[in-house]
Amino acid sequence: TQLLEQSPQFLSIQEGENLTVYCNSSSVFSSLQWYRQEPGEGPVLLVTVVTGGEVKKLKRLTFQFGDARKDSSLHITAAQTGDTGLYLCAGEGDGATNKLIFGTGTLLAVQP
Amino acid sequence: DSGVTQTPKHLITATGQRVTLRCSPRSGDLSVYWYQQSLDQGLQFLIQYYNGEERAKGNILERFSAQQFPDLHSELNLSSLELGDSALYFCASSPRQFTGELFFGEGSRLTVL
Repeated sequence: TQLLEQSPQFLSIQEGENLTVYCNSSSVFSSLQWYRQEPGEGPVLLVTVVTGGEVKKLKRLTFQFGDARKDSSLHITAAQTGDTGLYLCAGEGDGATNKLIFGTGTLLAVQP
Repeated sequence: DSGVTQTPKHLITATGQRVTLRCSPRSGDLSVYWYQQSLDQGLQFLIQYYNGEERAKGNILERFSAQQFPDLHSELNLSSLELGDSALYFCASSPRQFTGELFFGEGSRLTVL
């Protein structure tokens, strides 16, 4: 069974601080997605990383896929209150598969 | 607005009952996924349909069933409900047969008393 562990589970920081969220697995994934979920809403895709070692930037968010395609990280620079939410990584297995396995989630609260 | 519509948004029922959750995918999307989200289990994949046919199964209980209709909307049927079935149930759609980006609805919150 493919599992994705995220750390930390909870994070409460002040506006302007930097943070990193980790997503780890013992399995190899063909691609990895990051979603953000706000209260009362469904998850919304932020980015997809496909190549080992790939780095993608989305404004203040930097996503990296591990070289071995088993892990990923999300770094937020100068966090804002609007970044508050549940961050979920999701891995797509090797080969043709219909299962997107979601990580355990990181709940981020950015205080003003 | 993702374009995925789920009804009802909230549902309260008693143990032993049966409920049906409905999902309309984004226009043009052929794949529909169902996920269950609870505090202790996170977001768990239940089942996927593509163009009316079941394509993948996850951790779906035998008491649960789903189907996708010719107009591509999908229904998730939950029967003999137990307290532990209380959760958020999300539908997501995708234009692709094999995952890719998923577009999630706002979810149906089920409370079993």
